[in-house]
Amino acid sequence: DAGVIQSPRHEVTEMGQEVTLRCKPISGHNSLFWYRQTMMRGLELLIYFNNNVPIDDSGMPEDRFSAKMPNASFSTLKIQPSEPRDSAVYFCASSLGVGAGNGQPQHFGDGTRLSIL
Amino acid sequence: KQEVTQIPAALSVPEGENLVLNCSFTDSAIYNLQWFRQDPGKGLTSLLLIQSSQREQTSGRLNASLDKSSGRSTLYIAASQPGDSATYLCAVHNTDKLIFGTGTRLQVFP
Repeated sequence: DAGVIQSPRHEVTEMGQEVTLRCKPISGHNSLFWYRQTMMRGLELLIYFNNNVPIDDSGMPEDRFSAKMPNASFSTLKIQPSEPRDSAVYFCASSLGVGAGNGQPQHFGDGTRLSIL
Repeated sequence: KQEVTQIPAALSVPEGENLVLNCSFTDSAIYNLQWFRQDPGKGLTSLLLIQSSQREQTSGRLNASLDKSSGRSTLYIAASQPGDSATYLCAVHNTDKLIFGTGTRLQVFP
């Protein structure tokens, strides 16, 4: 069965441009997570949704970042305007249920490698 | 604030060796702990998930243990193979979030 699908796989754009990353979670999963991975900071949770509702966005670095989940099968992470320090790999993950203790593992997509020039 | 540390940061071993990767966390009030594998340019693949009430989990040549009171987990890889080369990450479930460790980059050479 299909895993978490992210697009695009790679994105190179100039500073100041709007960037939109997309994610399709595993069918039936009701929690969706956006992470950012850099060499300096490792993997950081940006925001997560449960049943399409944002639960915790405390990891979103600035107002330039926004995320939406209009339905159970699609989410976007948008950066506007983009800056060179936003360059990183962005991962989307999904799982059944929410919160620790439900014992459900998170399943990750292959990520979007973003480079802001 | 939960902090997760992995030692060693990098490891290079010949094929066939048995390996132990270490993960430590500062807040023992976790719900579960998950081990992941990450190949270059790829996402994370879940290997094992240990509930806080469990002591260990096994999958094939992999065995993960958890000692919640001391804030430690180990991932044991038996009879390592070149295909095991990857970065291994542990993550603890704290409240609603996964907090990731810094990772151990493993290279197994023939």
